[in-house]
Amino acid sequence: AQSVTQLGSHVSVSEGALVLLRCNYSSSVPPYLFWYVQYPNQGLQLLLKYTSAATLVKGINGFEAEFKKSETSFHLTKPSAHMSDAAEYFCAVTLGATGNQFYFGTGTSLTVIP
Amino acid sequence: NAGVMQNPRHLVRRRGQEARLRCSPMKGHSHVYWYRQLPEEGLKFMVYLQKENIIDESGMPKERFSAEFPKEGPSILRIQQVVRGDSAAYFCASSPGQKVEQYFGPGTRLTVT
Repeated sequence: AQSVTQLGSHVSVSEGALVLLRCNYSSSVPPYLFWYVQYPNQGLQLLLKYTSAATLVKGINGFEAEFKKSETSFHLTKPSAHMSDAAEYFCAVTLGATGNQFYFGTGTSLTVIP
Repeated sequence: NAGVMQNPRHLVRRRGQEARLRCSPMKGHSHVYWYRQLPEEGLKFMVYLQKENIIDESGMPKERFSAEFPKEGPSILRIQQVVRGDSAAYFCASSPGQKVEQYFGPGTRLTVT
């Protein structure tokens, strides 16, 4: 079975500080992993994806994530938080070879303090 | 290239009425997915369709819910005899194929009174 766990439903950081949003997954086959961002009353926007190529993945808006198989993790980071980063962030996993549906975590709400 | 379009954006129904949610995928995308998001929760997969076919409906409630993606026109998620527990945001996503990222629409927020 596939699942995603996001540790910390709420994360607060100061503007300019490091952003770290945690995601651990379980998958019976090599996974594809994704991070999405959701702004209030909007749909989800893809930040980045891992599809078995490079383990360090760079996305939009300065975000990146590293796939660590030994830790079954895919944490999202950004060196310096900006006020516009305040949003809900979702990690998702799908089966690498035959994935249809995405399995989403429950989300992490990021607050950026000026 | 327009993104995934969903309408209506907000829908209010009284208990027992029917709700119809529409989704037009991105141009060139033939795979459509429906998800439901309850308050304070992540998205839960409901159904995956290709043109005229339901591929995976393992996340759909067995009763009152149905989905279609006809040869022409948008995909429709239909909820019959709505109840208060159906109140949620319903998101549609599309992709050009399997094993690739899904592009999400803005969602339809259903409120059942």
